[in-house]
Amino acid sequence: DGGITQSPKYLFRKEGQNVTLSCEQNLNHDAMYWYRQDPGQGLRLIYYSQIVNDFQKGDIAEGYSVSREKKESFPLTVTSAQKNPTAFYLCASSPSGGAPGVVNEQFFGPGTRLTVL
Amino acid sequence: DQQVKQNSPSLSVQEGRISILNCDYTNSMFDYFLWYKKYPAEGPTFLISISSIKDKNEDGRFTVFLNKSAKHLSLHIVPSQPGDSAVYFCVGAGSYQLTFGKGTKLSVIP
Repeated sequence: DGGITQSPKYLFRKEGQNVTLSCEQNLNHDAMYWYRQDPGQGLRLIYYSQIVNDFQKGDIAEGYSVSREKKESFPLTVTSAQKNPTAFYLCASSPSGGAPGVVNEQFFGPGTRLTVL
Repeated sequence: DQQVKQNSPSLSVQEGRISILNCDYTNSMFDYFLWYKKYPAEGPTFLISISSIKDKNEDGRFTVFLNKSAKHLSLHIVPSQPGDSAVYFCVGAGSYQLTFGKGTKLSVIP
C-alpha cells in the first residue's frame, strides 16, 4: 500500500552532531517537502524539491541540507549549524510541484521527533 | 509576518453540536485554501479545500466558507463527533507552497 515513510519516529543526538532524517514515498509523486513544527506553531517549510536532482530553500533553510537523487527519496540533514534543532520534522509529497489554480494537496508522513541533548 | 492567522488556539464543543473554526489571511495571492487535521505525533491529513473563486465547499459533515472581501474563511463541522478532536490547520496555497496557520485545537466533549 502506498504512502510516505519517515524513520525513525524518535531520534536523539548530541549537540554538535549532524543527523540525517529519512523520507521515502512510493506514491510516484514528483514533489517532496520538508517542514518543521515547533510547539504551538504551524508548519514551516525548510526545503522542497519539485523534481529529481533539483531542490530549493524554503523559509527556514539555514542549518539544513537536502538531496534528491531518487524520485522516491528526500533525506534531510540537520547540521551542527542549526541553532535550535529540537523539533518535530514532517516530510510531505505531492503529485506535482503545483501550478496556478491547481490544488497542490500534499500528503504527509508520520513525522520524526528529533531531540538534541 | 503571519500570512495565515488562526486566532483561537483552542475550542471546546459538545458532541452533536456545530464546531466553527475561523481563519484570517493577509495574502491576496493565495489561489486556494486547505484545511488539514492533525493528531498528536502524526502527520497532518488533508480534510477539505476551497478555490479562491468559490465561496463554499461542502464534503459530508465538513463545510468551508470563504469571504474574500473580509479575507476570512471558516470550517464548519456538523455534527461534531469525539473523533474530530484534533488540531486543525488553516492553509493558504499558491502554486507549490503551502502557508500554515498555527492551528486550533478542537476538543469534542462526549
